[in-house]
Amino acid sequence: AQSVTQLDSQVPVFEEAPVELRCNYSSSVSVYLFWYVQYPNQGLQLLLKYLSGSTLVKGINGFEAEFNKSQTSFHLRKPSVHISDTAEYFCAVSLNTGGFKTIFGAGTRLFVKA
Amino acid sequence: NAGVTQTPKFRILKIGQSMTLQCAQDMNHNYMYWYRQDPGMGLKLIYYSVGAGITDKGEVPNGYNVSRSTTEDFPLRLELAAPSQTSVYFCASTSNPGTGGSTNEKLFFGSGTQLSVL
Repeated sequence: AQSVTQLDSQVPVFEEAPVELRCNYSSSVSVYLFWYVQYPNQGLQLLLKYLSGSTLVKGINGFEAEFNKSQTSFHLRKPSVHISDTAEYFCAVSLNTGGFKTIFGAGTRLFVKA
Repeated sequence: NAGVTQTPKFRILKIGQSMTLQCAQDMNHNYMYWYRQDPGMGLKLIYYSVGAGITDKGEVPNGYNVSRSTTEDFPLRLELAAPSQTSVYFCASTSNPGTGGSTNEKLFFGSGTQLSVL
């Protein structure tokens, strides 16, 4: 069975500091990897995705993530965060097993302080 | 484009009542999903559909039912509401997963339905 583990439930960070949100997954088959962001009282929006090719993926709002197959990780990074980045971030994996199910991690709440 | 529309936004039910959460998308997506979001638990897949007339269970289907009579609509039914079903429910859709297009695989989410069962 596939699973997604987000290693930090909350990450407090000061404005303009770098941040890394960690994600590990387990799967016996190839998967697609995603990061979604959820702002308060909203649905989820796609930040970035990895399907194939270059392991470094750039997304919206200055975020990027690196796929590491040997470590089964897909950590999200941003070199300098803003107050507006305060939100919950979800790592997700999808596999095409006839239904293309997307499984989400528990989420990491990023709190950017002034 | 409206995208994915969920109604209602909020609802309070008494134990044992039934209700239907509505979800509609206008993007001609074949794949549609229902998730519930509980604090600290992320999103759990309840049911999904790969096209009209085809549905299947996700991770947490007990207590729910779905139907998919059209491509656009994917309602979620709670027959006998229980306090454990208090949650925020999200509907999502996508097109052509697995083909790698620029908008494929990406899930489009509705704004959610906050349900309390008391």
